[in-house]
Amino acid sequence: SQQGEEDPQALSIQEGENATMNCSYKTSINNLQWYRQNSGRGLVHLILIRSNEREKHSGRLRVTLDTSKKSSSLLITASRAADTASYFCATVLTDSWGKLQFGAGTQVVVTP
Amino acid sequence: EAGVTQFPSHSVIEKGQTVTLRCDPISGHDNLYWYRRVMGKEIKFLLHFVKESKQDESGMPNNRFLAERTGGTYSTLKVQPAELEDSGVYFCASSHRAGDRNEQFFGPGTRLTVL
Repeated sequence: SQQGEEDPQALSIQEGENATMNCSYKTSINNLQWYRQNSGRGLVHLILIRSNEREKHSGRLRVTLDTSKKSSSLLITASRAADTASYFCATVLTDSWGKLQFGAGTQVVVTP
Repeated sequence: EAGVTQFPSHSVIEKGQTVTLRCDPISGHDNLYWYRRVMGKEIKFLLHFVKESKQDESGMPNNRFLAERTGGTYSTLKVQPAELEDSGVYFCASSHRAGDRNEQFFGPGTRLTVL
């Protein structure tokens, strides 16, 4: 069964706006990671947040984690056309040797 | 520094044929992972090598799939015989260490189409 589920499935915004996507998961985790995939390219690691952390920032990215609700959110501020991509959350379970369990992804389109 | 590379980028084969995918991880990365995304579904884990040993192959769908990593460098994933449901994008990733601080670096993927 799918460990991570993302919401929304698709998001269309204009440049300069913020984009928020959410991820829910089912079991206890060691950490949660967000990846981006541009069309036809591999996945690029964006940010990792550990189970004992609540919020992390990286540039225009802000990730939150609520382990009580088993959910995470990714916020992209001041979006740019280059942010157009699919975004995936992936969880790592304890003692799983780093195996990633992905959600279905959110397709983000940023129009100029 | 060269990233993870995969070959071929695309492969179109007929049902029943054999296909071998190759992944070259980042030099020095002991951990190598295979994932795949079939049409419309999420990316799923296939297996994990630590050097030349299979640490976890719980995601391998069936015995038509064979992965190797001789010498602990590059890895191959063979599908024999291929079936229609094997179509999808196969990703390889590598990391310096597994576990907690596990940033995985992904290759561009191999798009496999089985006709």
